[in-house]
Amino acid sequence: AQSVTQLGSHVSVSEGALVLLRCNYSSSVPPYLFWYVQYPNQGLQLLLKYTSAATLVKGINGFEAEFKKSETSFHLTKPSAHMRDAAEYFCAVSDLGNNDMRFGAGTRLTVKP
Amino acid sequence: GAVVSQHPSRVICKSGTSVKIECRSLDFQATTMFWYRQFPKKSLMLMATSNEGSKATYEQGVEKDKFLINHASLTLSTLTVTSAHPEDSSFYICSARDQRGNSYNEQFFGPGTRLTVL
Repeated sequence: AQSVTQLGSHVSVSEGALVLLRCNYSSSVPPYLFWYVQYPNQGLQLLLKYTSAATLVKGINGFEAEFKKSETSFHLTKPSAHMRDAAEYFCAVSDLGNNDMRFGAGTRLTVKP
Repeated sequence: GAVVSQHPSRVICKSGTSVKIECRSLDFQATTMFWYRQFPKKSLMLMATSNEGSKATYEQGVEKDKFLINHASLTLSTLTVTSAHPEDSSFYICSARDQRGNSYNEQFFGPGTRLTVL
């Protein structure tokens, strides 16, 4: 069975500061990993995905994540936070066929002016 | 890009009534659609996997007679909450899997439906 753990249900940063949202995964098969963003009362928007190609994945809105097999991690980063980045972020893992996607508990990002 | 729509976006109903939520893939065929439920300030929980032309597969703890899922075409799946009660109030999100040659069969998510049962 696959699962992800997001460390920190709430992260607060100042505008312009580094954003780091943590995600660790557990999977018995090579995983596919995803980061999604959710704004209030909206669905999920894909930020980026890892599908066994390059370990450093660049996504939309300046976000990127690095797959580290040795650490079973897929942390999301952004060099400089913007007010519009304030949202809920979900890490997810699926198997090869994406038959079973499992989400982390989510991390709420707050950006202070 | 692949677009998934949901209708309605928001519904308020009385306790005991049934509510139908539609999930459509607008520009691709989706042999598989997924239904999730999200409680306030919580993550998404997979309710069921819906395959076109066959019965849905429900996750453990999800009542199939309560949450009826129909996937009659390659672009439409419906979730009907039967005899809704206040505890069914939630945010329901569907996703559709695009299998147009993608190696990992990415899921595309709808915008969600906010159900409030009075």
